[in-house]
Amino acid sequence: DADVTQTPRNRITKTGKRIMLECSQTKGHDRMYWYRQDPGLGLRLIYYSFDVKDINKGEISDGYSVSRQAQAKFSLSLESAIPNQTALYFCATSDSHGTGDGQPQHFGDGTRLSIL
Amino acid sequence: GEDVEQSLFLSVREGDSSVINCTYTDSSSTYLYWYKQEPGAGLQLLTYIFSNMDMKQDQRLTVLLNKKDKHLSLRIADTQTGDSAIYFCAESSASKIIFGSGTRLSIRP
Repeated sequence: DADVTQTPRNRITKTGKRIMLECSQTKGHDRMYWYRQDPGLGLRLIYYSFDVKDINKGEISDGYSVSRQAQAKFSLSLESAIPNQTALYFCATSDSHGTGDGQPQHFGDGTRLSIL
Repeated sequence: GEDVEQSLFLSVREGDSSVINCTYTDSSSTYLYWYKQEPGAGLQLLTYIFSNMDMKQDQRLTVLLNKKDKHLSLRIADTQTGDSAIYFCAESSASKIIFGSGTRLSIRP
């Protein structure tokens, strides 16, 4: 089983709809992140959370919201989807206590979201 | 702000060495990373280097770090078709990781 699981893997929806992308992890990591990936732009950070009570905006948080329901779950919502939010979305986790391994981030397989 | 730059494409012949280059701006970065993304998958950590190191070797992979020029490179020896992917350079910065735009490596026979 994957350590970082994203659902759904693919979603097509219409402009104006509310959408929720979910992420769950079995790694026991305290930190979780949401990124979007667009061709030629790499990964851009949307929101991140260092524990259940902590939510922080990334560089492109407008139009998005998040909820950290438990240490293992971090969901991303688009309140009213628009076409330029069409992208590949990734959830990632890291362990703040894992200084020995460089605190790398571990990624899910992504959600491909298309807004028509 | 922090920025990580890398070229978008690289094409190499199978069996040759691939060298992917990256420049970064945050001189206080503690770690620098290389991630690999295969089609339909997320990013997989390939290797990383601590900022006080100049070089790290791991089987076919060699990472070189020039802190003075803020330049990082990834060398893949004996490049195989399975190495076709997008490679992302990233730096740690203020408890976050900043990613480059990725270099698409293609292998020709």
